[in-house]
Amino acid sequence: GESVGLHLPTLSVQEGDNSIINCAYSNSASDYFIWYKQESGKGPQFIIDIRSNMDKRQGQRVTVLLNKTVKHLSLQIAATQPGDSAVYFCAENMWDDKIIFGKGTRLHILP
Amino acid sequence: NAGVTQTPKFQVLKTGQSMTLQCAQDMNHEYMSWYRQDPGMGLRLIHYSVGAGITDQGEVPNGYNVSRSTTEDFPLRLLSAAPSQTSVYFCASSYGGTGGFGELFFGEGSRLTVL
Repeated sequence: GESVGLHLPTLSVQEGDNSIINCAYSNSASDYFIWYKQESGKGPQFIIDIRSNMDKRQGQRVTVLLNKTVKHLSLQIAATQPGDSAVYFCAENMWDDKIIFGKGTRLHILP
Repeated sequence: NAGVTQTPKFQVLKTGQSMTLQCAQDMNHEYMSWYRQDPGMGLRLIHYSVGAGITDQGEVPNGYNVSRSTTEDFPLRLLSAAPSQTSVYFCASSYGGTGGFGELFFGEGSRLTVL
């Protein structure tokens, strides 16, 4: 079916360590994937995106990896900071213009 | 630059009442959409529009109507509110749709409680 899901609902990471947030998708026809960050009481904000013709894309302290063989997406945050505490969503841009979100992973930073 | 503006921010309704959540964007974006966010459920797509005069159903469209008479506005109407519609509603826009023409820009959300 059409679904975007996440492996872990909550992730606790030591400040300064790297964080890895995973996402599984089921629609092999989707060709564009996006990661969003949502802070408490706010709307989601764009972090980074990747097209299906790529397997890796880097931004500032963030890297997205796409494995189309196993329909898996991950977001890596380098040197995690307190300001990274938030809920992270992956989203899938479907062929019919729907943009479908996963349930989200809460990232908790340990001091 | 206001971005995506949603009103009202908070609303309490009684079961059976109707209301409209307003959404406006000033970025000349073609694509607009409405999501609801419930605890533990992530964001679920209600309706979306790829341009003025065009709307389509998302994952959870029942109980909601939309229209898109202008590029700027995309109101969401609840015809007869039910407690199951208690949620936080987000409007979003982007300059494109299929193929990923750009990310979604979200409003601050509208918190709706139906008693």
